[in-house]
Amino acid sequence: DAKTTQPNSMESNEEEPVHLPCNHSTISGTDYIHWYRQLPSQGPEYVIHGLTSNVNNRMASLAIAEDRKSSTLILHRATLRDAAVYYCILRDDNTDKLIFGTGTRLQVFP
Amino acid sequence: NAGVTQTPKFQVLKTGQSMTLQCAQDMNHEYMSWYRQDPGMGLRLIHYSVGAGITDQGEVPNGYNVSRSTTEDFPLRLLSAAPSQTSVYFCASSYGSTYSGNTIYFGEGSWLTVV
Repeated sequence: DAKTTQPNSMESNEEEPVHLPCNHSTISGTDYIHWYRQLPSQGPEYVIHGLTSNVNNRMASLAIAEDRKSSTLILHRATLRDAAVYYCILRDDNTDKLIFGTGTRLQVFP
Repeated sequence: NAGVTQTPKFQVLKTGQSMTLQCAQDMNHEYMSWYRQDPGMGLRLIHYSVGAGITDQGEVPNGYNVSRSTTEDFPLRLLSAAPSQTSVYFCASSYGSTYSGNTIYFGEGSWLTVV
C-alpha cells in the first residue's frame, strides 16, 4: 500500500506563505496525490490534487517533485481560516479508497 | 445543492443497542463510503460501495453493516453498539474512482457515544 509521511504540526503567521511537505516514496506511476484538509469539528474538504505537473487552484498550489516521491502544498497567504489538519493522501490499491494518515496540524497566528 | 447529508449529528447509545446512521447525497455519485475518526487519528474506512447493490468491506468493518439499495442512500448500521465504537463517523461520496482523480465530498459527521 502506498503511504505518506507528513510532519505532525506546523505554524505560520497570518499573511505569510506556508509550505506543507509530504513524502510518498512508494507511490506508483499512476497514482494521483490528493490533499484534503479538515477544519475543527467538520468533515474533510478537498484542497487540490495532481499527478505529475504542478497544479494551481483558488485555494492552493501543489508542487510535485520530478521523481514524484514527494510533494508540497503551498498556501500563498495563510489566513486564520486556514488553521486545520492537512492530509496528503494516496489511493489504496486494494480498496481504491483514499488512505488518511494523521496529517499535519497547521496553526496560524495573527 | 445539499451535497452529502448525514443524520443524526449527535447520538448517545447504550451498550448493546442498535442504530442506523443515515447518509444521502444528491450529486448522483456512484461511489459512497463510511469512515470513522477516533480522537487524534486519521480517518479509517469502514465500508464502501461503487454503485447501487454493491458493497464491500474497508479497513475496520467489524460490528457494522451497510446496504446500497439506491444511488442516493448509504446507511450504516451498528448491530450491537460497544464503547469501542464511540467515534465520529463520516460519510463520503464521489463521482467515480479516485484512481481517475475524482474529488471526494464528505458529510459533516455524526458524533456517536456508546456508554
